[in-house]
Amino acid sequence: AQTVTQSQPEMSVQEAETVTLSCTYDTSESDYYLFWYKQPPSRQMILVIRQEAYKQQNATENRFSVNFQKAAKSFSLKISDSQLGDAAMYFCAYRSGGSSGDKLTFGTGTRLAVRP
Amino acid sequence: DSGVTQTPKHLITATGQRVTLRCSPRSGDLSVYWYQQSLDQGLQFLIQYYNGEERAKGNILERFSAQQFPDLHSELNLSSLELGDSALYFCASSLELAGVDTQYFGPGTRLTVL
Repeated sequence: AQTVTQSQPEMSVQEAETVTLSCTYDTSESDYYLFWYKQPPSRQMILVIRQEAYKQQNATENRFSVNFQKAAKSFSLKISDSQLGDAAMYFCAYRSGGSSGDKLTFGTGTRLAVRP
Repeated sequence: DSGVTQTPKHLITATGQRVTLRCSPRSGDLSVYWYQQSLDQGLQFLIQYYNGEERAKGNILERFSAQQFPDLHSELNLSSLELGDSALYFCASSLELAGVDTQYFGPGTRLTVL
């Protein structure tokens, strides 16, 4: 079974600075997808960014980018120019690309605080 | 707004009772997923339906059941409720099965069992 590990329960960043959230995963599959979801205090789960494992190029969405290291099974999220609205729980998630289903397997989350 | 709706937003009930949570997927989405978020278990996949058929099961208790109706809305039924069932229950939907198809989450139903 696939597992997702987020080793940083809490992180803090100064407004306008850059922060990197770590995620590692364990899988024997070669075809899969990785996601970062944000959960603000409203509890809504919001997709931040996604990465296909077969793509070497790291995904980027505005101020959010990932560092995908397939061999190391690492998928970190970099937030540039942090804003107060970025304060939230961030979950890393794995989805199989094969026949084992389409479910998301989540990490335990990292709570990000943004200092003004 | 993800386009996925869930009702009710909050539910407070007693142990031993039965409740039904409802989810309407985004327009056109065929796949519905149910997830449970609790303090001790984190975010866990419960069950998935695709176009009315059960597609995959996760750590769903036998006291829990779900179905997807012809209009594609889904219901999650929780029975013989226990204190430990208190959690946030999310529904998510996606268009299809293959590829990097994104799951869009509803706002969740907060269940409190007293």
